Order: sequence, then C-alpha cells, then structure tokens
Amino acid sequence: RKEVEQDPGPFNVPEGATVAFNCTYSNSASQSFFWYRQDCRKEPKLLMSVYSSGNEDGRFTAQLNRASQYISLLIRDSKLSDSATYLCVVNILTGNQFYFGTGTSLTVIP
Amino acid sequence: DGGITQSPKYLFRKEGQNVTLSCEQNLNHDAMYWYRQDPGQGLRLIYYSQIVNDFQKGDIAEGYSVSREKKESFPLTVTSAQKNPTAFYLCASSTTQGNQPQHFGDGTRLSIL
Repeated sequence: RKEVEQDPGPFNVPEGATVAFNCTYSNSASQSFFWYRQDCRKEPKLLMSVYSSGNEDGRFTAQLNRASQYISLLIRDSKLSDSATYLCVVNILTGNQFYFGTGTSLTVIP
Repeated sequence: DGGITQSPKYLFRKEGQNVTLSCEQNLNHDAMYWYRQDPGQGLRLIYYSQIVNDFQKGDIAEGYSVSREKKESFPLTVTSAQKNPTAFYLCASSTTQGNQPQHFGDGTRLSIL
C-alpha cells in the first residue's frame, strides 16, 4: 500500500473555476503535510504547508482531516498560470522521511 | 540568497561510465535527499542523509552511491550498474525537526549517449 495516494487526473477546468484535490495517507503517525507545485521539467516548489486548523493563502485553501487521513487543496478563481502538477507530501517524524504522492495534473483552459 | 545548487543541469553518460551529480546547500540543513523522477511519474527516493558521515538507502538505491563528508554537500554517483539511468534527478534538503518542508535544487537531467 502506498504511503500517499492522489488522483492523477488530469483535471481540465475553465478559467475562473474552483477545483479541489484530495490526497490520502496511510500512516497515522504522519506529522506534517505540504502541497507542492511542479511545472513541466522543473523542480517541485512549496505551495503551502497544511495546518491542523486549515489554512488559506490567497486563492488557495488547504485542509487536513486526521480522522479520515486525508488532506485537500482548494483553488478558487483558477488562472491559466495555475496549470501544473500538484504534489501532496507527508512527513513522518520518525526517520524524518518525506512521502510524495504521484501528483495531480491541472490544466486551466482559457 | 540561501538555497540548493545542483550541477550540471544536463549530463550525458556513456555506457559503462560512472558519473557524479553535485548537490550543495547553504541553508544549514542537516538532512539531504536524492530523488529520481521518470517522465509522468512521481519522485522516488534513492538515498538520504540525516547527518554528516551517515546516510541510508532509499527505495531504489541499487546502482547509486553517495557520500556525506560535509554538511553542505551530498554528491550522488550513478554507477555503470544502474542500467536505466535516464531520468530527472532532484536533490533536496530539510531540517530534522519534521515540521518544516523540503527545499529542492533545480535538478539534473541525465541521459544515456
């Protein structure tokens, strides 16, 4: 069983749409959670950390549900520049290991 | 500016040749990692190090070797034993506190000649 699972998509949405991605994790000892964005042929870049109470950064909202072991990312008012692959990442403190989902592909269409 | 520098950006390997990918960080991070990414795939962990002079194998360590002689540096050698080395290689670093994210270099693309 994979540590982190994501729906690979692709998600094709029109500009201005709201889109949500979910990610599930299997290890209940997971401590920290992050969303990264990866553009084609580039390195992953941190989009936002995910806090227990949920957090927002502009058009982006991240939430954590420990009971059901999933994290989510909501993008409001999608822009063309949001087109990328979104990776969810889980850190298990023991051994300081980071586990990556395979990514969800988003294309925002004009 | 603090960050992670990987070099070279592009690398070509001949059959039977070992090549070394460089990764240097000035973020004062204790932990460093090497990942491999194949087209359309997720990141797979090759090796990681939590402290100088210590490192552990990740999920796909066969055909690779690393060293961690300095805190700032974590070079990866792709040996001739790695039969399918063509991929995008990413180096990352983090603190060991667990609640901080990883930072990535901009990667090295390795191809077979």
